[in-house]
Amino acid sequence: GEDVEQSLFLSVREGDSSVINCTYTDSSSTYLYWYKQEPGAGLQLLTYIFSNMDMKQDQRLTVLLNKKDKHLSLRIADTQTGDSAIYFCAESSRGGADGLTFGKGTHLIIQP
Amino acid sequence: KAGVTQTPRYLIKTRGQQVTLSCSPISGHRSVSWYQQTPGQGLQFLFEYFSETQRNKGNFPGRFSGRQFSNSRSEMNVSTLELGDSALYLCASSLELARAEQFFGPGTRLTVL
Repeated sequence: GEDVEQSLFLSVREGDSSVINCTYTDSSSTYLYWYKQEPGAGLQLLTYIFSNMDMKQDQRLTVLLNKKDKHLSLRIADTQTGDSAIYFCAESSRGGADGLTFGKGTHLIIQP
Repeated sequence: KAGVTQTPRYLIKTRGQQVTLSCSPISGHRSVSWYQQTPGQGLQFLFEYFSETQRNKGNFPGRFSGRQFSNSRSEMNVSTLELGDSALYLCASSLELARAEQFFGPGTRLTVL
């Protein structure tokens, strides 16, 4: 089946940039997403990118998509303690027919 | 505009019982999807409803079912509960089918004893 891979942990210093990476296998993905989950909460949609784009910027967030390598990244500029959470990469499999396929999530740890 | 609401937030059941969870989408949204989140399997797609019809379904047994009402509110039901059904159940709403922006509710934490 289709798969989305992410590293489990990322540790960065407060004020630095965080870069969270993701690879996916479904070449027919229409949209690719980044969601944030804080402890005890649901998923917060951070941003998404259409598969024919290669970059999207939204305030402190920059998404880069390399469709050839099926690689997606999320850069968070000036990382703050409030950014500490689990970040999920997701794709809309088969144009959404299989719902969203999620990675296992990357725990972002902020060091003071 | 109010977000996606799910009730109840927490639920404790015993094996063999059944449970019904409710999801109210964002006003004006007509598509509701359900997901199961567990530490072992992560987030998995259960099904999607649009205009009171199930449009897409994930790989879950028939014990998992759902429905959608004319006001777009959705319920999911799990019958004959098993210990492995303990999970966070999340619902997501979007304006239409296959629309990019899918917004999630806070989830219902189900514990099966």
